[in-house]
Amino acid sequence: RKEVEQDPGPFNVPEGATVAFNCTYSNSASQSFFWYRQDCRKEPKLLMSVYSSGNEDGRFTAQLNRASQYISLLIRDSKLSDSATYLCVVNDEAGGFKTIFGAGTRLFVKA
Amino acid sequence: DTEVTQTPKHLVMGMTNKKSLKCEQHMGHRAMYWYKQKAKKPPELMFVYSYEKLSINESVPSRFSPECPNSSLLNLHLHALQPEDSALYLCASSQRDRGSGANVLTFGAGSRLTVL
Repeated sequence: RKEVEQDPGPFNVPEGATVAFNCTYSNSASQSFFWYRQDCRKEPKLLMSVYSSGNEDGRFTAQLNRASQYISLLIRDSKLSDSATYLCVVNDEAGGFKTIFGAGTRLFVKA
Repeated sequence: DTEVTQTPKHLVMGMTNKKSLKCEQHMGHRAMYWYKQKAKKPPELMFVYSYEKLSINESVPSRFSPECPNSSLLNLHLHALQPEDSALYLCASSQRDRGSGANVLTFGAGSRLTVL
């Protein structure tokens, strides 16, 4: 079983749609969780950290369910510029350096 | 502009060459990382330096040799590479978030390596 698993994608959605990505992690001791965005042939960039109580940043909402070892990302009112690969990222311990990336989910937003 | 600078952006080398990738950050971050990313795959951790000491080596072949001359610089020395080592090599640095305690990574734009 992979340490971090994501929806395979790709997701093809029209502008304005709401889309949700899911991610599961295998290490119950994992402490820190993130969503990164990676554009084609570019470096990953932090989209948002994921907190236990859930958090929202504009059109983006992240949720964490520790009991189910599950993380989600919801994008509302999709824009063309949201087209990218979304990487679920897990840190194995508080302040630890071993950061594990999921395989990523490709999102295509079409006009 | 990214706050982690990597050079060169592109590198083509033969299997007998010796070359180096360089990474620099001036954010005062105390941890620096090398990741390898193949096309359509996620980044894979190679090395981590914390306070200029090697903290993690993910069983990387010895043809890759990291070096951390000071807290702002990280090098990756390459020697006798194989064609399958062709990939995007990403440098990152991190600082611990005071609220969550998590190490949040900032990546450089990467060095795209082709081994002939």
